[in-house]
Amino acid sequence: GENVEQHPSTLSVQEGDSAVIKCTYSDSASNYFPWYKQELGKGPQLIIDIRSNVGEKKDQRIAVTLNKTAKHFSLHITETQPEDSAVYFCAARGSGGGADGLTFGKGTHLIIQP
Amino acid sequence: GAVVSQHPSRVICKSGTSVKIECRSLDFQATTMFWYRQFPKKSLMLMATSNEGSKATYEQGVEKDKFLINHASLTLSTLTVTSAHPEDSSFYICSASSGTANSPLHFGNGTRLTVT
Repeated sequence: GENVEQHPSTLSVQEGDSAVIKCTYSDSASNYFPWYKQELGKGPQLIIDIRSNVGEKKDQRIAVTLNKTAKHFSLHITETQPEDSAVYFCAARGSGGGADGLTFGKGTHLIIQP
Repeated sequence: GAVVSQHPSRVICKSGTSVKIECRSLDFQATTMFWYRQFPKKSLMLMATSNEGSKATYEQGVEKDKFLINHASLTLSTLTVTSAHPEDSSFYICSASSGTANSPLHFGNGTRLTVT
C-alpha cells in the first residue's frame, strides 16, 4: 500500500517568514495530493491540493509543488501569520479517485513565533 | 464549499455501552464516506470505507463487529462503537466524497469519545 513520509514533525518560524513542509510517497500510481490544516479539537480542513498532471499550484500565500519523478511534494506558506499555527497533514490518494481513502503523513506542528 | 457535519462533537459513555456517531454531507451527495481515528498528536488512521447501500470495507486490524458502519443514504453515514471500552477512547473523524475521479475529500469536525 501507499506510505507517506512527512518532515519536519515540528517547525517554528518567525512571523512573516516562510515555512516549507515536505512529503514523499511510495506508490507511483497515486495522483492526488491534498494538504490539510488541523486546529486543536477540529477536523482537518482542506487548504490546497494538486494532481499529478500539474507541477505547481498557488493560492495566495500558499503553494504546493509536486515532483512526480522523485515522488515528493511540498507545501510552501509565505508571509506567515499567527493564525497559520496548526498541524498540517499531507496526504496521497491512489488512482481509484474519490472512492479511495487518503493515506496521511504524520503531520507537522507549525508554530508561528510573534 | 462542501460541508460535512459530524455529531456529536463530544460524548462520554460508560464501559459496555454503545455510542453512535453521525456524519452528514450537507450540500452534496456522498457516495463514499470514510471513517478515521486519530490518537493525540498522531496522524489520521483510516478505519473503514463505506459506499451508499453496500457493506463497509474495513482496514486490516479494525474489528467490524465492534465498529458498525451504516451508510443508508447519500447524505448520512453512522459509526456505532459497540460495547465500548476505555481503549476505544479517541477522536473519530468522518469524511465524505462524491466519488468522482477528481472529487476532494472533506472532513467533519470530529467526535471526541471518552469511555469511562
